[in-house]
Amino acid sequence: QSILTQPPSASGTPGQRVTMSCSGSNSNIGSNTGNWYQHLPGTAPKLLIYTNDQRPSGVPDRFSGSKSGTSASLSISGLQSEDEAVYFCASWDDSLNAVVFGGGTRLTVL
Amino acid sequence: QVQLVQSGPEVKRPGDSMKVSCKASGYTFTKYGLSWVRQAPGQGLEWMGWISAHNGNTLYAQKFQGRVTLTTDTSTTTGYMELRDLRSDDAAIYFCARYTSGSQGYYYFFMDVWGKGTTVNVSS
Repeated sequence: QSILTQPPSASGTPGQRVTMSCSGSNSNIGSNTGNWYQHLPGTAPKLLIYTNDQRPSGVPDRFSGSKSGTSASLSISGLQSEDEAVYFCASWDDSLNAVVFGGGTRLTVL
Repeated sequence: QVQLVQSGPEVKRPGDSMKVSCKASGYTFTKYGLSWVRQAPGQGLEWMGWISAHNGNTLYAQKFQGRVTLTTDTSTTTGYMELRDLRSDDAAIYFCARYTSGSQGYYYFFMDVWGKGTTVNVSS
């Protein structure tokens, strides 16, 4: 059972905008920051968003992140087939003194 | 370019120990730390702990306390993760990742460069 809660699946058509949610608590997202990782099976996870809304260099501006209260969100605009992957959210948890992850949202591009 | 290259797959028996290596290149090793994350088959990501390559300080997830040891060798810019007393549910892909952390009234921690993972099977 993951500490952060993500919907198991999401889908969209090419060109569409998709938003994924990540629900936490006051001990993690509520008092710290959220990060998002993109993971394709068999490859290394890739950092997409850090400290809620920052993009590492090389990540397209189609990807954006936000935080509100104890939840974080990842939005992908102009959806492309190559965006099919599993997206994990993560945060530092003050109570557990640990990094906590969501269970991941599998994005399907129809 | 910045990269982390991990050691190859391992097959272990219950009760064995394993040690996975993570060779860093393309950046100043001692300016960052290494974190270790695993993913069991069909499961999500699970954080195991981190080690500062600057001073060797470590923090382990409670679940792995007493069974895991993280080390670094600054002369070879390599990090190591040793897990002892292996069980069947330790079968997973183990990732190392470079992390950045800090505090600005809130704590931030993110992993920006990842290795490709090391597959470990545990079976009798």
